[in-house]
Amino acid sequence: NAGVTQTPKFQVLKTGQSMTLQCAQDMNHNSMYWYRQDPGMGLRLIYYSASEGTTDKGEVPNGYNVSRLNKREFSLRLESAAPSQTSVYFCASSEGTLNLYEQYFGPGTRLTVT
Amino acid sequence: AQTVTQSQPEMSVQEAETVTLSCTYDTSESDYYLFWYKQPPSRQMILVIRQEAYKQQNATENRFSVNFQKAAKSFSLKISDSQLGDAAMYFCAYRRNTGNQFYFGTGTSLTVIP
Repeated sequence: NAGVTQTPKFQVLKTGQSMTLQCAQDMNHNSMYWYRQDPGMGLRLIYYSASEGTTDKGEVPNGYNVSRLNKREFSLRLESAAPSQTSVYFCASSEGTLNLYEQYFGPGTRLTVT
Repeated sequence: AQTVTQSQPEMSVQEAETVTLSCTYDTSESDYYLFWYKQPPSRQMILVIRQEAYKQQNATENRFSVNFQKAAKSFSLKISDSQLGDAAMYFCAYRRNTGNQFYFGTGTSLTVIP
């Protein structure tokens, strides 16, 4: 039981390049989330998916797109990376009927945009 | 929008002593959930403790306990008998009963002094 996995763990991009961050969970959770973490800002929600086939914007969605490929997988895409997107990205999942809506987090991806 | 405030960016505690981390939140909801997460240097987010707003009894998990003051919208974390492994960033989080979004505070960095 791997929980929530994210790939890659580290990535360096040049301004204007694109990339997709992958996330998968094996806990059969309905809800999945993408956060970014910046110093002094805590975790800020980028996008979330309440269930397979649905996605919604969070607090800071600009510059990102997401795809809920199936119940297990939720990817985050940067179409044209900017230095302001340098951050640590976390994927998380939760199940509303168990564990009081606790979120389970992946190990994070450290992204640097130069 | 809900907001979660952690007013102590940094705290320190002597090993074996007790420390309290503060968290306040703003909501008009009556039913919700509150969480404390720990993030050690490994970056992995780990759930420490959770509290349902409808429960008056404060949650406790071994050396970790909360002081939940619903009327004051306050949710502090007390760590007793502090250990070196408690050194981490601690995040307070809020989730309302309906909806899927979690709201995180900006975090408190805890140092444990040997």
